[in-house]
Amino acid sequence: RKEVEQDPGPFNVPEGATVAFNCTYSNSASQSFFWYRQDCRKEPKLLMSVYSSGNEDGRFTAQLNRASQYISLLIRDSKLSDSATYLCVVAVTGGGNKLTFGTGTQLKVEL
Amino acid sequence: EAGVTQFPSHSVIEKGQTVTLRCDPISGHDNLYWYRRVMGKEIKFLLHFVKESKQDESGMPNNRFLAERTGGTYSTLKVQPAELEDSGVYFCASSQNSGQGTDTQYFGPGTRLTVL
Repeated sequence: RKEVEQDPGPFNVPEGATVAFNCTYSNSASQSFFWYRQDCRKEPKLLMSVYSSGNEDGRFTAQLNRASQYISLLIRDSKLSDSATYLCVVAVTGGGNKLTFGTGTQLKVEL
Repeated sequence: EAGVTQFPSHSVIEKGQTVTLRCDPISGHDNLYWYRRVMGKEIKFLLHFVKESKQDESGMPNNRFLAERTGGTYSTLKVQPAELEDSGVYFCASSQNSGQGTDTQYFGPGTRLTVL
């Protein structure tokens, strides 16, 4: 079983749509949670950290459910430029902060 | 401010040859990480330096891989001898060492290694 599980997609959505990605993690010692974005043949870039209380950054909202070991990302009003792979990432703080990645969910926003 | 840089961007070698990848972290970042993505799989941790010291090398696949960070600045990852399964994209990342939870890791553009 993978440590971080994500639906690989692709999710094909029209511009303006709302789309949600989910991921689950297996290591209950995980303490830090992130969504990274990776464009084709590029490096991963931090999109946002995920906090227990949930957090929002513009059109992006992230939620964490520690009891269910479940993380979500909601993108509202999708733009063509949102097309990318979204990586769910966790870390055990203090364990050197090495990141554990999911395989990523591919999003394609279409006209 | 310059980001994390990696060299080369691409490398194509034959099985049995040696390849050395280089990573220059963001200036002042004590933490340096190596990760690898094999085709079709998730990005996986290889090892972590704090300055010049190896903090965690639990992800290194085998003893054909050797990482160094002399002087605590740039790092090299040598694969000797390379095997077909070593093909993939090798990412380097760096972060500060603020001592306050998980510092953001900034990734380099990666080195795409192809072993024929």
